Amino acid sequence: QSALTQPPSASGSPGQSVTISCTGTSGDIGSYNYVSWYQQHPGKAPKLMIYEVNKRPSGVPDRFSGSKSGNTASLTVSGLQAEDESNYYCSSYAGSNNFLVFGGGTKLTVL
Amino acid sequence: QLQLQESGAGLLRPSQTLSLNCVVSGGSVNSGANSWSWIRQAPGKGLQFIAYIYRNGIPFYNPSLKSRATISLDTSKNQFSLRLTSLTAADTAVYYCVSMNIVATTADSWGQGAQVTVSS
Repeated sequence: QSALTQPPSASGSPGQSVTISCTGTSGDIGSYNYVSWYQQHPGKAPKLMIYEVNKRPSGVPDRFSGSKSGNTASLTVSGLQAEDESNYYCSSYAGSNNFLVFGGGTKLTVL
Repeated sequence: QLQLQESGAGLLRPSQTLSLNCVVSGGSVNSGANSWSWIRQAPGKGLQFIAYIYRNGIPFYNPSLKSRATISLDTSKNQFSLRLTSLTAADTAVYYCVSMNIVATTADSWGQGAQVTVSS
């Protein structure tokens, strides 16, 4: 059972936008602006896509954006491309006792 | 750009101890800009934080694994390590070594992962 809740799947057609949610509690997402999103292709290591809710590392397309409202964070992928098909995981800082928690992952399918 | 490479692991028996090393290139484990961690992923499952360590050698552990995990830093070899004792089948996973930001809230760079299988 993951600490953060993500939908198991999401999908969209090329060119469309899709949003993936990540729901936590007041002890993690609701209290800290330390939400990250990772992309993981099958058999590969995760790759950082968004950090501190809405910041993009160098090299990540601006089609990827993040936001947060209350205890829920969201990743939006605009202008879907075939290479965006992957698994996406969210994480959040959860305080000094629990530290870093993750979501169970969302499989994004580009139709 | 940082590169991380895990070594060790493979097939272990229940109750044995797992030892993993992570060699860092393109940067120093003694850098003040990073912390160093281990994160694992069980088959078909999500990610689980195990532990992280700062350059001062002070470790932090996932409470659920704290009694069995030990993370350490070897600045002379520019690497960090993980030991996990009393293994069970539930410890079967891909183990990633990861560089994180200084406050250990963001996993910047990941190793390719090391498969660990615990089976009798």
